[in-house]
Amino acid sequence: SYELTQPLSVSVALGQTARITCGGNNIGSKNVHWYQQKPGQAPVLVIYRDSNRPSGIPERFSGSNSGNTATLTIRRAQAGDEADYYCQVWDSSSVVFGGGTKLTVL
Amino acid sequence: QVQLVQSGAEVKKPGASVKVSCKASGYTFTSYGISWVRQAPGQGLEWMGWISAYNGNTNYAQKLQGRVTMTTDTSTSTAYMELRSLRSDDTAVYYCARGSIAAAIDYWGQGTLVTVSS
Repeated sequence: SYELTQPLSVSVALGQTARITCGGNNIGSKNVHWYQQKPGQAPVLVIYRDSNRPSGIPERFSGSNSGNTATLTIRRAQAGDEADYYCQVWDSSSVVFGGGTKLTVL
Repeated sequence: QVQLVQSGAEVKKPGASVKVSCKASGYTFTSYGISWVRQAPGQGLEWMGWISAYNGNTNYAQKLQGRVTMTTDTSTSTAYMELRSLRSDDTAVYYCARGSIAAAIDYWGQGTLVTVSS
């Protein structure tokens, strides 16, 4: 079965740029979606199809996908961006989630 | 606006079954599918399966095959997820979420806590 690998945690200084990676075999050939989940809340879609932002998501959030790695980039990180982030793809008619990355804003 | 409203928290004994409902509003129910995703305490997201609200076709996670059944009622725009033979490791928050095959999951329900305990 297809696997997605994310770092357990990423730290970023307030106002700096955070990058969260999602590794998978030839993931560049798949559409990658990213979700933000804050404690006690349901996940929220922040990037779909590699690099597209849903309505209401700040331009500070962007995504890229190539080769074996997809990346979620958060520019000018704010305290409110502190959350768990999950990448997701479809593989063989099944949804696959990465293990999640806890983003800490210092 | 799109809303998915789930049924309330449940406490079940091992071996029992649970059925969670998810009422959709704000969009044409049959134009999208519904995924069910669960999250054990302190853990990540686990996809359970997907159902087409158009024709009822389902894809279940291999791990849950035989224990889970997903259905929809188009007359009330409601999706259901039934999980049988509950075990303690089924304790989790269960989410319904809107999405089509190969597409992003764009709206999520509020979650339903299911606790399995003797």
